Amino acid sequence: DAGVIQSPRHEVTEMGQEVTLRCKPISGHDYLFWYRQTMMRGLELLIYFNNNVPIDDSGMPEDRFSAKMPNASFSTLKIQPSEPRDSAVYFCASGRFNSPLHFGNGTRLTVT
Amino acid sequence: DAKTTQPPSMDCAEGRAANLPCNHSTISGNEYVYWYRQIHSQGPQYIIHGLKNNETNEMASLIITEDRKSSTLILPHATLRDTAVYYCIVRPDNAGNNRKLIWGLGTSLAVNP
Repeated sequence: DAGVIQSPRHEVTEMGQEVTLRCKPISGHDYLFWYRQTMMRGLELLIYFNNNVPIDDSGMPEDRFSAKMPNASFSTLKIQPSEPRDSAVYFCASGRFNSPLHFGNGTRLTVT
Repeated sequence: DAKTTQPPSMDCAEGRAANLPCNHSTISGNEYVYWYRQIHSQGPQYIIHGLKNNETNEMASLIITEDRKSSTLILPHATLRDTAVYYCIVRPDNAGNNRKLIWGLGTSLAVNP
């Protein structure tokens, strides 16, 4: 089991550019979550999917953020256009019904 | 969902037991207590969870008080690699309620040589 795989590990981009973060969940997990972590706000849930369907996106900050899960083994989180306040570590996590979450090692995003 | 209260930081000597407290006085009957930890530059890692009874696994022990209003995570022989932020979370026993986990800022545990 390779665990949850996220790419890239680090992303530096300029304000206004499009950013795409990628996640491969653990095989067999039917829940997928995107979190954002900052020093000020800690871990915040952005959106989660069940069986590839978005269930709750109430944590997505604004329309600049979008997430997709085209199949059970892949998800993306896109920010367009990016802003400096989007700088954070973005985590993807997966899990089964009522089971603990398994997190990836995150993508550290810096928007200059 | 019930919120939790944890001390912001703790120290522990290497080889000694680390006892991390958590207060969850508003916990409901169907809510589990979960513990995760986050080592620097990594994602959170699941440690242990319980409902009413004390639990033990290869990583830690979880002691839940009889009234379930508080719990203690015990690392029996702390090592330098246990230095991390430890999160105590309560979670209802329902599918999909992962979405409302309130992580808080956790306890930053420093294990000292």
